[in-house]
Amino acid sequence: AQTVTQSQPEMSVQEAETVTLSCTYDTSESNYYLFWYKQPPSRQMILVIRQEAYKQQNATENRFSVNFQKAAKSFSLKISDSQLGDTAMYFCAFSSGGSYIPTFGRGTSLIVHP
Amino acid sequence: DARVTQTPRHKVTEMGQEVTMRCQPILGHNTVFWYRQTMMQGLELLAYFRNRAPLDDSGMPKDRFSAEMPDATLATLKIQPSEPRDSAVYFCASGPSDSTDTQYFGPGTRLTVL
Repeated sequence: AQTVTQSQPEMSVQEAETVTLSCTYDTSESNYYLFWYKQPPSRQMILVIRQEAYKQQNATENRFSVNFQKAAKSFSLKISDSQLGDTAMYFCAFSSGGSYIPTFGRGTSLIVHP
Repeated sequence: DARVTQTPRHKVTEMGQEVTMRCQPILGHNTVFWYRQTMMQGLELLAYFRNRAPLDDSGMPKDRFSAEMPDATLATLKIQPSEPRDSAVYFCASGPSDSTDTQYFGPGTRLTVL
């Protein structure tokens, strides 16, 4: 069974600084997808970024980027120029290619301080 | 911009009552998921549909929960009879048939069973 581990229950960062959230996963699959979802206080789950395992290039979306280390089974999220609106729970998720059923981590609570 | 919609957004009911939650997936998406989120258990997958057929409901308590897709534009999750331990936020998510396993979440239904 696949597992997703987010070892940092809580993190904080000053506005405008950079923060990295960690995620590790365990799988024997070779084709899979990794995701980061953001859940602000409104509780809406928002897709932040997606990475295909077969792509070596790290995905980026504006201020959000990932460091995908396939051999180490690590998938960290870097948030640059942190903004107050980035305050949220962040969930890492894994899905075997085509299985459609993701496994979610327990989440990391990020607080951005002014 | 296409979104998953859920109704009601909030529901307060008494123990023993029937609760029905509705979800309208994004038009054209062929996978639909129901999740339950609590502080203790995190995000749990309850049921999963593909092309309206239930493929996995192993995470759902069968004696009181039921999930259906009467048509491609409506998914329902029913609890009968409801219990206080069912209090949670219930999310619906839908995904496209492009094998990327990406899910788009609705805003959730916050259920409180007294």
